[in-house]
Amino acid sequence: GAVVSQHPSRVICKSGTSVKIECRSLDFQATTMFWYRQFPKQSLMLMATSNEGSKATYEQGVEKDKFLINHASLTLSTLTVTSAHPEDSSFYICSARGVGTANTEAFFGQGTRLTVV
Amino acid sequence: GENVEQHPSTLSVQEGDSAVIKCTYSDSASNYFPWYKQELGKGPQLIIDIRSNVGEKKDQRIAVTLNKTAKHFSLHITETQPEDSAVYFCAASKGGSYIPTFGRGTSLIVHP
Repeated sequence: GAVVSQHPSRVICKSGTSVKIECRSLDFQATTMFWYRQFPKQSLMLMATSNEGSKATYEQGVEKDKFLINHASLTLSTLTVTSAHPEDSSFYICSARGVGTANTEAFFGQGTRLTVV
Repeated sequence: GENVEQHPSTLSVQEGDSAVIKCTYSDSASNYFPWYKQELGKGPQLIIDIRSNVGEKKDQRIAVTLNKTAKHFSLHITETQPEDSAVYFCAASKGGSYIPTFGRGTSLIVHP
């Protein structure tokens, strides 16, 4: 299957600072990328959908000014958690969907464990 | 919107036994049903999927069945092994936009 690389896998930051998470599709071009948040022992919660070159579409209840998403190329999307606070600590996962693929599946990155202290 | 229910939340089996996880969905327009395996601290990995024009699909020890009329689909794992232990998520989506709705997950524990 296609490979999606997410970096970093773990990050610890101080409260009030910003953190950037990268999501790259390594062997395919991703027209659409999705960002999820997952709390312990819970399902994936979709935060936003981004299409290359367009503004991201955020799910209800997700603050777009706090979770900045950039999808500037067909292989890279970034999620920046601005002015992070302890309640932002979570597991963040991206997934990417390819250009012109016959199938509609999206492939997931490895996830990023964010801890805000 | 779509609602996906997944059962059981926890499943404990002995090595070599079969495991079955069931999901139901609410939107009859959903036509794509992937299953993901998530190991601790990692992102979900697609293990098998099925589309609405197919009733069953098999890949080695893993099979998925779909009943469109009843709006439910199931994951079957035969001859389970300890390395099958993980959290499994079902999902449902429709159309070309692929924005899946996930079930709440099943923690599968395979005892050696």
